[in-house]
Amino acid sequence: GEDVEQSLFLSVREGDSSVINCTYTDSSSTYLYWYKQEPGAGLQLLTYIFSNMDMKQDQRLTVLLNKKDKHLSLRIADTQTGDSAIYFCAEAYGNNRLAFGKGNQVVVIP
Amino acid sequence: DAGVIQSPRHEVTEMGQEVTLRCKPISGHNSLFWYRQTMMRGLELLIYFNNNVPIDDSGMPEDRFSAKMPNASFSTLKIQPSEPRDSAVYFCASSLQAGVDGYTFGSGTRLTVV
Repeated sequence: GEDVEQSLFLSVREGDSSVINCTYTDSSSTYLYWYKQEPGAGLQLLTYIFSNMDMKQDQRLTVLLNKKDKHLSLRIADTQTGDSAIYFCAEAYGNNRLAFGKGNQVVVIP
Repeated sequence: DAGVIQSPRHEVTEMGQEVTLRCKPISGHNSLFWYRQTMMRGLELLIYFNNNVPIDDSGMPEDRFSAKMPNASFSTLKIQPSEPRDSAVYFCASSLQAGVDGYTFGSGTRLTVV
């Protein structure tokens, strides 16, 4: 299957920016996603980017896609305590299949 | 739509007992996925159904695990007999065509086998 890699842990002060990185393997992926998992909850789709885009901005979230390096990042501006969660990147491949990374835990320090 | 509904939310059972986890996907979605999440192994895909048919069960750990999808609105994941190492959070997700919506996950069942 596809292999999506993420770093594991990030701690950030409230109000600062957070950047979470991810690398993926399938250059033909049409969509790439960021999911958020809050404690005790399931994964929720946070945002996605289509493969023909380099950047997507959605309020405090900025997604950057570098197709050449197969690198995806999520920047959260003005990080708040409610942003503490595990963040998963995922790539679409094959027929309706998503490959998920191992997740990156973000801890926001007040 | 109420989203993907899983039951129970929590299950505590003794080793050797049979455990059945249930999932109701979003109406109209034609793909259903069962995942297991642990601290050690992260999120693992166990099995994937498309139009109620199992397409890929290569992630099912062993014969003690079985999954069924008798109709488009219901799926079960059964573990028999259960073992302490099966303790994890089990998620069900459904999808129509990943696209802009990706997968929609349920809230999960936290299973503890003692």
